[in-house]
Parts: sequence; C-alpha cells; structure tokens
Amino acid sequence: EAQVTQNPRYLITVTGKKLTVTCSQNMNHEYMSWYRQDPGLGLRQIYYSMNVEVTDKGDVPEGYKVSRKEKRNFPLILESPSPNQTSLYFCASSAMTSGRVDTQYFGPGTRLTVL
Amino acid sequence: LAKTTQPISMDSYEGQEVNITCSHNNIATNDYITWYQQFPSQGPRFIIQGYKTKVTNEVASLFIPADRKSSTLSLPRVSLSDTAVYYCLVGELHNTDKLIFGTGTRLQVFP
Repeated sequence: EAQVTQNPRYLITVTGKKLTVTCSQNMNHEYMSWYRQDPGLGLRQIYYSMNVEVTDKGDVPEGYKVSRKEKRNFPLILESPSPNQTSLYFCASSAMTSGRVDTQYFGPGTRLTVL
Repeated sequence: LAKTTQPISMDSYEGQEVNITCSHNNIATNDYITWYQQFPSQGPRFIIQGYKTKVTNEVASLFIPADRKSSTLSLPRVSLSDTAVYYCLVGELHNTDKLIFGTGTRLQVFP
C-alpha cells in the first residue's frame, strides 16, 4: 500500500530535550516536505527536499532541522524544542514532473506538545 | 511566489452545490492550481488540479478564468461527509520556490 508514515503519532516532551520525528514514504517520490498546522494559521511549510541531499527552507524553518540521506526518509529534528513548537506536524511526499510538484500525499500527522 | 486568499468559512445544506473561490492575483505563468481537502486530525487529501479553463473529476470541478487570477472549486450535491477544510494551493517548484497552503475554507454541511 502506497503511504507516508510518521512516528511517533503523539509526543509530549519538555523544553530543550532534543527530539526527532521520522517520516518515510514507499512511493519512490523525489519531493518530501514538512508542515506544521496551528489553529487559525492553516498549513505552513517548514522544510522541503527535492531529492537526496537537497533540502531547502520553507516559510517557518527556525528551530528545525531536516536531513535527506535516503530517498524514502525525511526526519524532522528539533534540537532544543520550545513551547511555541507545540503543534500538529505533517510530512508529505510527491513525485515531480518537469520540475513541478505533483499530488502531495500526506502522513497521518504527529501531535507534539512541548511543556 | 503566488499566495492565495479564500473565505474563512462557508455553510451549506445537503444536496446543494458549493462553490469555493480562491484568489491568486500573483499567479505565475507556470503555476498550477491544486485543491486539497482536510478532515480533522488527518492529513490533507488531493481533490483536483488544473492550469486553465475547466477540469472535472469524479469528486469536483475546477473552474479557472482566462486571467487565472482566481479559481473556483465546485462540489456538486454536498453531503455531511463533505464537511472539511478546503485548501487552494498555487505553485510550481523551482529551485527555491516554496509551497504555500494558506488558511483554507472551513465548509460546514448541515442536514
């Protein structure tokens, strides 16, 4: 089954404790992306990657890191989480056609709470 | 970098046609228009995509005027299960472009 998986689905942590949210896709997609979703603000892009070893900042990259060492995986790293990073996070992947991002497939989401 | 503007919310009744309009005044020549649907606590799901004129699939229709500065998602005969947030997304990925979703339109369908 074609899918994007994220782990963990729920996470409660404390300020400053490093954490990683994993994202994996089995569709051989070139493009992967992380979004956060907050009430009243919709989906905001954090980072994206167009291929292995290629990553770029989205709209709200501060406080986050990503890596793309393998095509299927795109982990999101919070080196020193703060309460304002409490949010619902979505990973997405997509094929690319002639430089254009095709339909994005989203993971189930990770609800993060930073105390 | 095209940004979009949509109504914050809309109400409808079962069986009615719903039209949600998205404004994207700065759309670029190579940009496509894509609509996603999101239910609570789930990731967005692709509905339809188009470049110009009209596109129709089994779920919805997308109308794009000649100037492409706006687009309208049309949902025929909505049901309660169509209650969701609908996002309009405009963009084509180049080396440094980003994809911007906007705040979406919350559609509430009543019985």
